Amino acid sequence: KQEVTQIPAALSVPEGENLVLNCSFTDSAIYNLQWFRQDPGKGLTSLLLIQSSQREQTSGRLNASLDKSSGRSTLYIAASQPGDSATYLCAPLEDGANSKLTFGKGITLSVRP
Amino acid sequence: NAGVMQNPRHLVRRRGQEARLRCSPMKGHSHVYWYRQLPEEGLKFMVYLQKENIIDESGMPKERFSAEFPKEGPSILRIQQVVRGDSAAYFCASSPGREQPQHFGDGTRLSIL
Repeated sequence: KQEVTQIPAALSVPEGENLVLNCSFTDSAIYNLQWFRQDPGKGLTSLLLIQSSQREQTSGRLNASLDKSSGRSTLYIAASQPGDSATYLCAPLEDGANSKLTFGKGITLSVRP
Repeated sequence: NAGVMQNPRHLVRRRGQEARLRCSPMKGHSHVYWYRQLPEEGLKFMVYLQKENIIDESGMPKERFSAEFPKEGPSILRIQQVVRGDSAAYFCASSPGREQPQHFGDGTRLSIL
């Protein structure tokens, strides 16, 4: 059974800092891994998707890396802004017949102006 | 291009009543997923459906919960004889294919009095 861990649960940083958010998962038999952002009272916004054959993906100030064999992914946020304040979730997709995403509890990020 | 639409956004029911949650996937998406987010918990997979078929319902409680995705119309998550423990945010996601990125709606917040 896949388990996803994201530590720490919360993070507060001043504006402009570069950040690394960590995600670890127990079952390396994954097809891909998605990083999402969730704002309070809202749904999830997909940020990046990394295929299991890829090492990293980039979108603007965001860069996600994947080390499938060690069960780790990181989300790098460059030059953080107050608008980046949200909860960040990683979710690996099981490899196989099902399309089940397994979520961690997320990291709640607060970027102080 | 409209995103995943869920309604209602908020639903209040008394214990013992039925709750019906609706999800219209993005245009062109034939795969639908339901997830539940309990207070202070991460999102948990409930069920995966493709038009008229349930592909994986391993996350659904054995009793009182059912889901459908008919040929015409939205996907419905139905909870019969609701109890306080059913209070949660229920999210629907859709994708164009089994291993494609999942796009989420804003959720239905269910409160049981």
